Amino acid sequence: DAGVIQSPRHEVTEMGQEVTLRCKPISGHDYLFWYRQTMMRGLELLIYFNNNVPIDDSGMPEDRFSAKMPNASFSTLKIQPSEPRDSAVYFCASSFYTWETQYFGPGTRLLVL
Amino acid sequence: KNQVEQSPQSLIILEGKNCTLQCNYTVSPFSNLRWYKQDTGRGPVSLTIMTFSENTKSNGRYTATLDADTKQSSLHITASQLSDSASYICVVSEGGSYIPTFGRGTSLIVHP
Repeated sequence: DAGVIQSPRHEVTEMGQEVTLRCKPISGHDYLFWYRQTMMRGLELLIYFNNNVPIDDSGMPEDRFSAKMPNASFSTLKIQPSEPRDSAVYFCASSFYTWETQYFGPGTRLLVL
Repeated sequence: KNQVEQSPQSLIILEGKNCTLQCNYTVSPFSNLRWYKQDTGRGPVSLTIMTFSENTKSNGRYTATLDADTKQSSLHITASQLSDSASYICVVSEGGSYIPTFGRGTSLIVHP
């Protein structure tokens, strides 16, 4: 397996624009997680899915953020409209169970100007 | 509020030396504690996972310990290598919800 795949790897956009981040989890993994990492706040869990269903989205910062998982092999994290404070590295991770090893993707580095 | 505190914030050691990183937490109820290694510009990679009943777990030159009574964990690196230079992140998950609380990490630099 190629591991968790994320795209794009880098994104530069202007404030107010819509940003869509994509993730393909490891085949067979039932859990998918979206994280955000900044220098100020470190790693934060935004939302996680089990069998394509959102289980906990309490970490989603505000209504500008939304995440979907239409099928077992694809998930998106959308920011609309984007703001400079959204600049961060966004990681997707997957696992068989929540308490098992999570495998992280390479991350998407987002810069909102 | 659940918290995970790591120390030291940064550490510089010479290649071949041992070192120990610390993690103290207040997460309750406790589910599990993980140590991750994150190389610059890459995603975290899991080193160890420990549940309440485990007090030691090894992964090669990495050995993690857990004292659930004092809510402390340590990660010991033996015979350090240049490739050990990275950030080491302690993560404690809450029982029931499995919601993780992340430490800010310890930045380790191994010099030749």
